[in-house]
Amino acid sequence: QLQLQESGPGLVKPSETLSLTCTVSGGSISSSSYYWGWIRQPPGKGLEWIGSIYYSGSTYYNPSLKSRVTISVDTSKNQFSLKLSSVTAADTAVYYCARHTYRFLAFIGDYYYMDVWGKGTTVTVSS
Amino acid sequence: DIQMTQSPSSLSASVGDRVTITCRASQSISSYLNWYQQKPGKAPKLLIYAASSLQSGVPSRFSGSGSGTDFTLTISSLQPEDFATYYCQQSYSTRTTFGQGTKLEIK
Repeated sequence: QLQLQESGPGLVKPSETLSLTCTVSGGSISSSSYYWGWIRQPPGKGLEWIGSIYYSGSTYYNPSLKSRVTISVDTSKNQFSLKLSSVTAADTAVYYCARHTYRFLAFIGDYYYMDVWGKGTTVTVSS
Repeated sequence: DIQMTQSPSSLSASVGDRVTITCRASQSISSYLNWYQQKPGKAPKLLIYAASSLQSGVPSRFSGSGSGTDFTLTISSLQPEDFATYYCQQSYSTRTTFGQGTKLEIK
């Protein structure tokens, strides 16, 4: 059974770079059917997609965060990572990693959804 | 970006009730709409994809409908474990967006 596990510092100082890693177990990150992504949730608020990556390294980012975000993949370790620079208190959130499954559905065509999630890790930005 | 708006933002209901949550997209997204359930302190769980397809293992009391800009999630008979927050998500664009959530509470 595929599992995802986020790891990284729980406390980051303002203006510094937040770095998180998602380790994939029970399956290969190099499968052609999946993208891998990061989603965050500020305290008491909704979900915000940060960005996604394919095992080849192709990426998509949320335009509102694009200038500060870098997502990378390490297929040898079955991991992908998030770096968010110049953080402020507004970046305090639970950060989730998730698998995006791509399928071809006969009635609609190519489709994707987020079907496996990590448990999430809380990151607080504070001095 | 495509904006997703859910209504209501919160809802009180009783066990056994039929409940409907609405999600509206700012432009047509065909059937590229997913629904997730999130319980406190837990990660979201996929319930419905492609507007009306039930994810494996999800009880049949959950159903989805709609296309274009207007979508609904219906729970036919609320169970105690269904009290949670529900999110819609558009996958029409690779730059995906979520609705703001609907919190379903016990009356």
